[in-house]
Amino acid sequence: QQQVKQSPQSLIVQKGGISIINCAYENTAFDYFPWYQQFPGKGPALLIAIRPDVSEKKEGRFTISFNKSAKQFSLHIMDSQPGDSATYFCAASKGSGNTGKLIFGQGTTLQVKP
Amino acid sequence: GAVVSQHPSRVICKSGTSVKIECRSLDFQATTMFWYRQFPKQSLMLMATSNEGSKATYEQGVEKDKFLINHASLTLSTLTVTSAHPEDSSFYICSARETPRGSPLHFGNGTRLTVT
Repeated sequence: QQQVKQSPQSLIVQKGGISIINCAYENTAFDYFPWYQQFPGKGPALLIAIRPDVSEKKEGRFTISFNKSAKQFSLHIMDSQPGDSATYFCAASKGSGNTGKLIFGQGTTLQVKP
Repeated sequence: GAVVSQHPSRVICKSGTSVKIECRSLDFQATTMFWYRQFPKQSLMLMATSNEGSKATYEQGVEKDKFLINHASLTLSTLTVTSAHPEDSSFYICSARETPRGSPLHFGNGTRLTVT
Protein backbone atom coordinates (compact mmCIF):
# COMPACT_ATOMS: atom_id res chain seq x y z
CA GLN A 1 0.00 0.00 0.00
CA GLN A 2 1.51 3.26 -1.17
CA GLN A 3 0.75 5.71 1.60
CA VAL A 4 2.24 8.73 -0.14
CA LYS A 5 1.76 9.14 -3.88
CA GLN A 6 3.89 11.62 -5.78
CA SER A 7 3.58 13.04 -9.29
CA PRO A 8 4.88 13.64 -11.83
CA GLN A 9 7.66 11.08 -12.05
CA SER A 10 9.75 13.51 -14.08
CA LEU A 11 9.54 17.19 -14.92
CA ILE A 12 11.33 19.47 -17.34
CA VAL A 13 11.15 23.21 -16.77
CA GLN A 14 12.83 26.15 -18.43
CA LYS A 15 15.10 28.37 -16.36
CA GLY A 16 13.02 31.00 -14.59
CA GLY A 17 9.87 28.91 -14.72
CA ILE A 18 7.82 27.44 -11.91
CA SER A 19 8.25 23.78 -10.99
CA ILE A 20 5.28 22.13 -9.32
CA ILE A 21 5.35 18.70 -7.72
CA ASN A 22 2.30 17.15 -6.11
CA CYS A 23 1.77 14.60 -3.37
CA ALA A 24 -1.28 12.90 -1.94
CA TYR A 25 -1.54 10.91 1.25
CA GLU A 26 -4.03 8.49 2.69
CA ASN A 27 -3.41 8.36 6.40
CA THR A 28 -5.12 11.24 8.20
CA ALA A 29 -2.87 10.60 11.21
CA PHE A 30 0.09 12.08 9.32
CA ASP A 31 1.00 15.39 10.88
CA TYR A 32 4.34 16.37 9.37
CA PHE A 33 5.06 16.81 5.67
CA PRO A 34 8.62 17.56 4.57
CA TRP A 35 10.16 17.87 1.13
CA TYR A 36 13.66 16.57 0.44
CA GLN A 37 16.08 17.29 -2.39
CA GLN A 38 18.53 14.61 -3.48
CA PHE A 39 21.46 14.90 -5.86
CA PRO A 40 22.95 11.76 -7.46
CA GLY A 41 25.08 9.77 -5.04
CA LYS A 42 24.09 11.90 -2.07
CA GLY A 43 21.66 11.59 0.77
CA PRO A 44 18.43 13.61 0.82
CA ALA A 45 18.57 17.12 2.22
CA LEU A 46 15.59 18.75 3.91
CA LEU A 47 14.21 21.64 1.87
CA ILE A 48 11.08 22.74 3.65
CA ALA A 49 8.38 21.19 5.81
CA ILE A 50 4.84 21.94 6.87
CA ARG A 51 2.37 20.86 9.52
CA PRO A 52 -1.38 20.50 8.87
CA ASP A 53 -2.35 23.56 10.88
CA VAL A 54 -1.20 25.90 8.11
CA SER A 55 -2.12 25.96 4.43
CA GLU A 56 1.07 27.44 3.04
CA LYS A 57 4.69 27.89 3.97
CA LYS A 58 7.28 29.81 2.01
CA GLU A 59 11.05 29.75 2.34
CA GLY A 60 12.87 31.69 -0.34
CA ARG A 61 11.95 30.27 -3.75
CA PHE A 62 10.31 27.19 -2.23
CA THR A 63 6.66 27.11 -1.19
CA ILE A 64 4.57 24.26 0.19
CA SER A 65 0.81 24.41 -0.33
CA PHE A 66 -1.22 22.13 1.89
CA ASN A 67 -4.85 21.07 1.44
CA LYS A 68 -5.93 19.08 4.48
CA SER A 69 -9.44 18.25 3.24
CA ALA A 70 -8.08 16.88 -0.04
CA LYS A 71 -5.13 15.21 1.68
CA GLN A 72 -2.77 16.78 -0.80
CA PHE A 73 0.30 18.96 -0.64
CA SER A 74 2.58 20.39 -3.27
CA LEU A 75 5.99 21.95 -3.70
CA HIS A 76 6.38 25.04 -5.85
CA ILE A 77 9.85 26.14 -6.93
CA MET A 78 9.75 29.69 -8.21
CA ASP A 79 12.32 31.04 -10.67
CA SER A 80 13.70 27.53 -11.21
CA GLN A 81 17.44 27.36 -11.84
CA PRO A 82 19.64 24.69 -13.46
CA GLY A 83 21.14 24.09 -10.01
CA ASP A 84 17.70 22.96 -8.85
CA SER A 85 17.97 19.94 -11.14
CA ALA A 86 17.70 17.02 -8.74
CA THR A 87 15.27 14.41 -7.46
CA TYR A 88 12.64 15.68 -5.06
CA PHE A 89 10.82 13.53 -2.53
CA CYS A 90 7.79 14.39 -0.49
CA ALA A 91 7.32 12.54 2.76
CA ALA A 92 4.95 12.22 5.67
CA SER A 93 5.11 11.02 9.22
CA LYS A 94 2.74 10.59 12.15
CA GLY A 95 3.12 10.84 15.84
CA SER A 96 3.92 13.85 17.94
CA GLY A 97 4.98 16.22 15.22
CA ASN A 98 7.91 14.92 13.23
CA THR A 99 9.13 12.34 15.70
CA GLY A 100 7.75 9.44 13.73
CA LYS A 101 9.32 7.54 10.87
CA LEU A 102 9.13 9.13 7.45
CA ILE A 103 7.23 7.55 4.59
CA PHE A 104 8.52 8.79 1.24
CA GLY A 105 6.79 9.39 -2.06
CA GLN A 106 8.16 7.86 -5.24
CA GLY A 107 10.25 10.88 -6.18
CA THR A 108 10.26 13.40 -9.03
CA THR A 109 13.28 13.99 -11.21
CA LEU A 110 13.44 17.67 -12.09
CA GLN A 111 15.48 19.00 -14.96
CA VAL A 112 15.76 22.75 -15.35
CA LYS A 113 16.95 23.72 -18.81
CA PRO A 114 19.15 26.80 -19.14
CA GLY B 1 23.56 22.66 11.06
CA ALA B 2 23.30 19.09 12.23
CA VAL B 3 25.53 16.65 10.35
CA VAL B 4 25.15 12.92 9.90
CA SER B 5 28.23 11.11 8.67
CA GLN B 6 28.22 7.71 7.01
CA HIS B 7 31.20 5.46 6.40
CA PRO B 8 32.21 4.06 4.04
CA SER B 9 30.73 5.95 1.11
CA ARG B 10 31.37 3.03 -1.22
CA VAL B 11 32.15 -0.60 -0.59
CA ILE B 12 32.58 -3.61 -2.84
CA CYS B 13 32.50 -7.04 -1.30
CA LYS B 14 32.33 -10.62 -2.42
CA SER B 15 29.21 -12.69 -2.12
CA GLY B 16 28.97 -14.40 1.25
CA THR B 17 30.97 -11.85 3.21
CA SER B 18 29.66 -9.31 5.71
CA VAL B 19 29.85 -5.55 5.51
CA LYS B 20 29.47 -3.00 8.30
CA ILE B 21 28.24 0.53 7.66
CA GLU B 22 28.61 3.23 10.29
CA CYS B 23 26.31 6.18 10.88
CA ARG B 24 27.41 8.96 13.20
CA SER B 25 25.72 12.11 14.37
CA LEU B 26 28.60 14.56 14.52
CA ASP B 27 27.30 17.51 16.48
CA PHE B 28 24.20 16.26 18.21
CA GLN B 29 22.91 13.31 20.14
CA ALA B 30 20.43 11.00 18.47
CA THR B 31 18.34 8.54 20.44
CA THR B 32 16.72 7.39 17.23
CA MET B 33 18.32 6.61 13.88
CA PHE B 34 16.66 5.23 10.78
CA TRP B 35 18.13 3.04 8.06
CA TYR B 36 16.83 3.30 4.50
CA ARG B 37 17.63 1.43 1.32
CA GLN B 38 17.34 2.99 -2.11
CA PHE B 39 17.53 1.16 -5.42
CA PRO B 40 18.48 3.11 -8.57
CA LYS B 41 15.88 5.68 -9.58
CA GLN B 42 13.57 4.57 -6.79
CA SER B 43 12.38 5.99 -3.53
CA LEU B 44 13.79 5.47 -0.07
CA MET B 45 12.42 2.43 1.68
CA LEU B 46 12.62 2.33 5.45
CA MET B 47 14.38 -0.79 6.67
CA ALA B 48 14.50 -0.31 10.42
CA THR B 49 14.39 2.10 13.30
CA SER B 50 17.42 2.02 15.55
CA ASN B 51 16.97 3.04 19.18
CA GLU B 52 19.91 3.72 21.46
CA GLY B 53 20.32 1.02 24.04
CA SER B 54 17.53 -1.22 22.76
CA LYS B 55 16.70 -3.55 19.92
CA ALA B 56 15.98 -2.16 16.49
CA THR B 57 12.49 -2.25 15.05
CA TYR B 58 12.42 -3.74 11.57
CA GLU B 59 9.91 -3.00 8.85
CA GLN B 60 7.83 -5.79 7.43
CA GLY B 61 9.79 -7.92 4.99
CA VAL B 62 13.24 -6.90 6.26
CA GLU B 63 15.28 -9.81 7.60
CA LYS B 64 16.61 -8.82 11.01
CA ASP B 65 19.16 -11.64 11.01
CA LYS B 66 20.56 -10.43 7.71
CA PHE B 67 20.62 -6.72 8.47
CA LEU B 68 22.04 -6.41 11.97
CA ILE B 69 21.63 -3.02 13.60
CA ASN B 70 23.46 -1.84 16.68
CA HIS B 71 22.91 1.56 18.32
CA ALA B 72 25.38 1.45 21.16
CA SER B 73 25.70 5.16 21.82
CA LEU B 74 23.83 8.40 21.24
CA THR B 75 26.08 9.22 18.30
CA LEU B 76 26.66 5.90 16.53
CA SER B 77 24.51 3.30 14.83
CA THR B 78 25.86 0.50 12.67
CA LEU B 79 24.23 -1.64 9.99
CA THR B 80 25.88 -4.95 9.20
CA VAL B 81 24.83 -6.75 6.05
CA THR B 82 25.59 -10.39 6.78
CA SER B 83 26.30 -13.03 4.12
CA ALA B 84 25.82 -10.44 1.42
CA HIS B 85 24.47 -11.45 -1.98
CA PRO B 86 24.33 -9.51 -5.27
CA GLU B 87 20.67 -8.65 -4.65
CA ASP B 88 21.77 -6.75 -1.53
CA SER B 89 23.62 -4.30 -3.76
CA SER B 90 21.98 -0.95 -3.12
CA PHE B 91 22.38 2.54 -1.68
CA TYR B 92 22.01 2.47 2.09
CA ILE B 93 21.22 5.74 3.83
CA CYS B 94 20.97 6.46 7.52
CA SER B 95 19.19 9.33 9.15
CA ALA B 96 19.14 10.73 12.64
CA ARG B 97 16.99 13.05 14.66
CA GLU B 98 18.23 15.30 17.41
CA THR B 99 17.08 14.32 20.87
CA PRO B 100 14.55 17.10 21.46
CA ARG B 101 11.11 16.14 20.18
CA GLY B 102 10.11 17.90 17.03
CA SER B 103 13.61 18.17 15.61
CA PRO B 104 14.05 17.60 11.87
CA LEU B 105 15.47 14.43 10.39
CA HIS B 106 18.99 14.67 8.95
CA PHE B 107 20.36 12.22 6.40
CA GLY B 108 23.83 10.91 5.80
CA ASN B 109 25.36 10.83 2.33
CA GLY B 110 24.71 7.15 1.91
CA THR B 111 26.81 4.06 1.29
CA ARG B 112 26.89 2.43 -2.13
CA LEU B 113 27.19 -1.33 -1.58
CA THR B 114 28.15 -3.55 -4.49
CA VAL B 115 28.23 -7.29 -3.93
CA THR B 116 30.08 -9.25 -6.60
